Amino acid sequence: IAGITQAPTSQILAAGRRMTLRCTQDMRHNAMYWYRQDLGLGLRLIHYSNTAGTTGKGEVPDGYSVSRANTDDFPLTLASAVPSQTSVYFCASSRGAGSYNEQFFGPGTRLTVL
Amino acid sequence: SQQGEEDPQALSIQEGENATMNCSYKTSINNLQWYRQNSGRGLVHLILIRSNEREKHSGRLRVTLDTSKKSSSLLITASRAADTASYFCATDTVNSGYSTLTFGKGTMLLVSP
Repeated sequence: IAGITQAPTSQILAAGRRMTLRCTQDMRHNAMYWYRQDLGLGLRLIHYSNTAGTTGKGEVPDGYSVSRANTDDFPLTLASAVPSQTSVYFCASSRGAGSYNEQFFGPGTRLTVL
Repeated sequence: SQQGEEDPQALSIQEGENATMNCSYKTSINNLQWYRQNSGRGLVHLILIRSNEREKHSGRLRVTLDTSKKSSSLLITASRAADTASYFCATDTVNSGYSTLTFGKGTMLLVSP
């Protein structure tokens, strides 16, 4: 079934550890996004990529890095996790870049940093 | 910073009733989208309305847009228990020359049988 997959589903991580959240889509979408969702704050954009080989910073990029080596994969890395990065992380993709495109979301990764 | 703000934060209704959720935003937009999120799941796109449109329908959904008031509403008619979810509006934001979506905090809708 076409869509977006995220891994892991959930993770408990010690502060200071490095963690990579994986995201893969099989819809050949050009644009991909990472959001974090926190209670009372809604979804906030961390990083985005309009096409393979390019990335950009969203609203809350500090402490996170991304890469887009190919069309399908868009991993999110926390170089040294801190408790404030405890959140639910959603990856999304859209056919094209820009706000006229519908975004398709993955199932999310629940991350707890202790 | 949040662009769209949904109102109310939570809404509880009976099956068969209509549910209306509102979204207000601060700056001019090109379009506005509504998404739905079931508990523990990712968001699902419902409808997009462009700034030059005033109303749009999709099944039991009706979306209106009033750019003069910088507000939009989502109406779900004849609600069902399966409509229980959180609903988010998203507006376009220019970010370093690229357009991205900014989501509101959502309205949590509970439809009781």
